[in-house]
Amino acid sequence: ELQLVQSGTEVKKPGESLKLSCQASGYKFTNYWIGWVRQMPGKGLEWMGILYPEDSDTRYSPSFQGQVTFSADKSISTAYLQWTSLKSSDTAMYFCARPRWGRFDAFDLWGQGTMVSVSS
Amino acid sequence: DIQMTQSPSTLYASVGDRVTITCRASLSISKWVAWYQQKPGSAPKLLVYEASILESGVPARFSGSGSGTEFTLTISSLQPDDYATYYCQQYNRDSQTFGQGTKVEIK
Repeated sequence: ELQLVQSGTEVKKPGESLKLSCQASGYKFTNYWIGWVRQMPGKGLEWMGILYPEDSDTRYSPSFQGQVTFSADKSISTAYLQWTSLKSSDTAMYFCARPRWGRFDAFDLWGQGTMVSVSS
Repeated sequence: DIQMTQSPSTLYASVGDRVTITCRASLSISKWVAWYQQKPGSAPKLLVYEASILESGVPARFSGSGSGTEFTLTISSLQPDDYATYYCQQYNRDSQTFGQGTKVEIK
């Protein structure tokens, strides 16, 4: 079955590190880009950036450059989103999503989302 | 970044109404626009890509149009399942952006 399965809810404190996962199945992981989308509570969708698992080519939105890191493990068809030092403003739902084909394309496959709550 | 200005932010409509949502891009983006539907607690669902191509499985009451800087999503006859929030997205170049969203509520 074609799907992206994300890791579970996280509750963290400011300053802590975090790594979210997004495991792909049902297609060849290294043939498609994987994007990340943030949705803060009660707010809209924000495109964070995108990664090509085959060679780890990565493009970040200017708003997220330097704030997060994307990576992937081809051997287990899994993409990652990580922080080294969380802030309370990182509290949000995070979705991974696969474009239809190339880097510039609509997202036709989405993960279920991971809720991250950061509070002291 | 290319800005996508979506309107209205909230729309009140009844079952059977024709509904139109608009997105305006700050620069010409040809046809590189997608539309998504999102319901509370769920991931977005792709409805339309390349401005006017209906994603497989999406009901024909949904349609998209436009090119350049002006784009619309139309629901020809609103159904109870269509009460949701809708987003446009431009994917013309790095970095991609979404509109602010339009919540369709019961009138």
